Parts: sequence; structure tokens; C-alpha cells
Amino acid sequence: DVKVTQSSRYLVKRTGEKVFLECVQDMDHENMFWYRQDPGLGLRLIYFSYDVKMKEKGDIPEGYSVSREKKERFSLILESASTNQTSMYLCASSRQLNYGYTFGSGTRLTVV
Amino acid sequence: KNQVEQSPQSLIILEGKNCTLQCNYTVSPFSNLRWYKQDTGRGPVSLTIMTFSENTKSNGRYTATLDADTKQSSLHITASQLSDSASYICVVSERDSGGYQKVTFGTGTKLQVIP
Repeated sequence: DVKVTQSSRYLVKRTGEKVFLECVQDMDHENMFWYRQDPGLGLRLIYFSYDVKMKEKGDIPEGYSVSREKKERFSLILESASTNQTSMYLCASSRQLNYGYTFGSGTRLTVV
Repeated sequence: KNQVEQSPQSLIILEGKNCTLQCNYTVSPFSNLRWYKQDTGRGPVSLTIMTFSENTKSNGRYTATLDADTKQSSLHITASQLSDSASYICVVSERDSGGYQKVTFGTGTKLQVIP
């Protein structure tokens, strides 16, 4: 069964901390995505990557960075966490850019 | 700006009943439309995907329809079960000449099926 695994289901961090959210997929997909999901706003794209070491900004990249050193792993970094980054973070991967996504289970991050 | 609007925002139905969820979009040029089911606290799972030439697609008790002319889609759930309680998200992809398809998510319809 294909999988996208996010390292943490729940995370609580303090304002100003550096936060790493990890995502691993076992499907050999080229494309990986990071979204955040907030009530009433739907999913919003933060960053995506279409190849190792390649990254593209999504709709709301401010305050975030990403790293893709290996094909199977895509990390989201909050350089200095703020309370407005409290959200559900979803990682996804796809075989092709016009293909359906496989999502991870999500990480609910709370910044206090 | 491309938009995807879903209605109703939330819905409560009795177990065994049918229901229909709506999705209207303004995305252009259109590439494909997907319906996802998202259980509480989990990631979305794909139910159906439809391209411009398809006007209906079924996945078990789920049937999606697409009218590309009016830019409307619906998801019909037949003989609902308690396990259908979830959020249903409509996702529309825009065809991009550069290869990347911009994807717009609806805000979802929260369905609750009660005994």
C-alpha cells in the first residue's frame, strides 16, 4: 500500500522556535507538496518540489522554507515559528504534476 | 482569480439516505476535477477524477458528475453509512502551458451521517 508518512501527528512549539516537519513517500514520486489547511480557507500551497534539490514557491511561502535532498523526503521548515502558523500541515506527493495526489495524515502544529 | 465554491458548507443526514454535494468553479483553462474525502484529523483521500470529456464517474456508492459548460460538479452519495461522515473537498486543476497545473481547493462540505 502506497504511503506518504508525516513524522508527527501533533506538535506544540514556542514562538520563535525553528520547526522541522518531515514527510517521506515510498512511491518513487517526482513531485511533493506542502499545504496548510485552515478552517474556511481550504488547502493552500506553501511550496512544492518537482525533483531532488528543486523547489518552487506556492501561494503562501512567507515564513517557510523547504528542503529536498533525497527524492523520497521533503521537509518543511519554519525558521521562526509564530502563532499565525498554528495550522494543520499536509504533505502530498504525485507521480506527475497533473496526476492525483496522495496525502499524508497531516501534522497539527500549535505555536504558543 | 480562480475559485472553487462548495455547497452546502455542512450537512446532516440519516443513515441510509442519499445526498448530493455541489461544486462550482471558475478555473480556466480547465484540466481536471477531483473529489477527495477527508476524515477528521486525517489527510484527504481521492475518490474520483474527471477530465473535460468525462461527465460522470463512479466509485462504489460515490458518483461524481461534471458539466464543463456550466462549470459545475456534484458528488452523489447513495445509501449513506456512518463511515461517510467526513469532509468532501472539490479540487480543480488548471492547465498550464509550462506543464505545472495550478490546483485550487474548495473549502469542503462537512457531512455528518447519523443513525
